[in-house]
Amino acid sequence: SQKIEQNSEALNIQEGKTATLTCNYTNYSPAYLQWYRQDPGRGPVFLLLIRENEKEKRKERLKVTFDTTLKQSLFHITASQPADSATYLCALRNAGKSTFGDGTTLTVKP
Amino acid sequence: NAGVTQTPKFRVLKTGQSMTLLCAQDMNHEYMYWYRQDPGMGLRLIHYSVGEGTTAKGEVPDGYNVSRLKKQNFLLGLESAAPSQTSVYFCASSATSGRTGELFFGEGSRLTVL
Repeated sequence: SQKIEQNSEALNIQEGKTATLTCNYTNYSPAYLQWYRQDPGRGPVFLLLIRENEKEKRKERLKVTFDTTLKQSLFHITASQPADSATYLCALRNAGKSTFGDGTTLTVKP
Repeated sequence: NAGVTQTPKFRVLKTGQSMTLLCAQDMNHEYMYWYRQDPGMGLRLIHYSVGEGTTAKGEVPDGYNVSRLKKQNFLLGLESAAPSQTSVYFCASSATSGRTGELFFGEGSRLTVL
């Protein structure tokens, strides 16, 4: 069966450092992979996506890599700030459906 | 621009009662989805729709029914609520899958079944 794992439920880092979140999947062939941010009590908000034929995508302080051989995506937030504290969800999308991982809760300490 | 609106935001039911959650989107999106989110379990797809008049089962459809009579609305029904259906329900919409497939979410509906 399909499985998506986001390594570590929680990640604590110091302000200014780079946060790296991992998303691994098995038994799945996504057309593309998406990353979302979710704040407590709110709905997820789309951040960026990367297609299966792309290796890396950047948006401001965010960077995503996608390795279809390893079946893994890495999500980086550089120069992290306390305002980046949230839960980050990866989602695999194919055939009009998105399947989500359980999320990683990031806490950036001042 | 309201985006995706869910009603009600909170509801408490007794076991066996029925209710309907309403989702409305004003972005003219073709695709609409209902997810549930339980603590530590992420978002799980209940049902989805790829266009007006169509519905399909997702990962956890049992105990739920849906209808998409109008393009902008997607209704989620619980015919006989059970405590296991206590959860936060999120509706989402997206344009056709040929684009980014970005999902736009509502703010969630928190349901408690006693």
